[in-house]
Amino acid sequence: DGGITQSPKYLFRKEGQNVTLSCEQNLNHDAMYWYRQDPGQGLRLIYYSQIVNDFQKGDIAEGYSVSREKKESFPLTVTSAQKNPTAFYLCARSRTGANEKLFFGSGTQLSVL
Amino acid sequence: EDQVTQSPEALRLQEGESSSLNCSYTVSGLRGLFWYRQDPGKGPEFLFTLYSAGEEKEKERLKATLTKKESFLHITAPKPEDSATYLCARGIREKLTFGTGTRLTIIP
Repeated sequence: DGGITQSPKYLFRKEGQNVTLSCEQNLNHDAMYWYRQDPGQGLRLIYYSQIVNDFQKGDIAEGYSVSREKKESFPLTVTSAQKNPTAFYLCARSRTGANEKLFFGSGTQLSVL
Repeated sequence: EDQVTQSPEALRLQEGESSSLNCSYTVSGLRGLFWYRQDPGKGPEFLFTLYSAGEEKEKERLKATLTKKESFLHITAPKPEDSATYLCARGIREKLTFGTGTRLTIIP
């Protein structure tokens, strides 16, 4: 798994519901990222974190929230405010976050019921 | 606005037919150019990082090159297992900005 694990593989959200996607890494890396991928589009950055208890908004943060209470965990919550949540969500890690290569998880496909 | 543009969007090649994929970017101050391979339903897999114009890196049938304004991913004598979407990304500060990818299909 490249040292980073996402779960679940598939997730379904009902109208008005919040859902949380899990991302865990076991390599003691400082930086973690959440990207969203839509068909035919590039990866777009939602949130990133370079240190515990601190995170930054990416390009499309509206309707999402994150936490970084532990170095190894960076969960993403898709809130009811996100009106178009259907997408493939990818979590990534890097050693320090300073323009280094990212290692991605296997992704979570979120669909709306 | 920082943009990364990849071309072509899709490319179909016969097995053994060599070609190149292009990645161009608009903002100066390159802090790293990254190439990834992505198979359907999976996360991107890291291939190469290039930092300086003139730099080249190779891995099996793939070779990545970098100029001041663009990068090329050359694929030599491809095999069907090279079929995938190839993504490039450029580093800016602490983030990577990705292009939309080139979907490569190698026909046996």
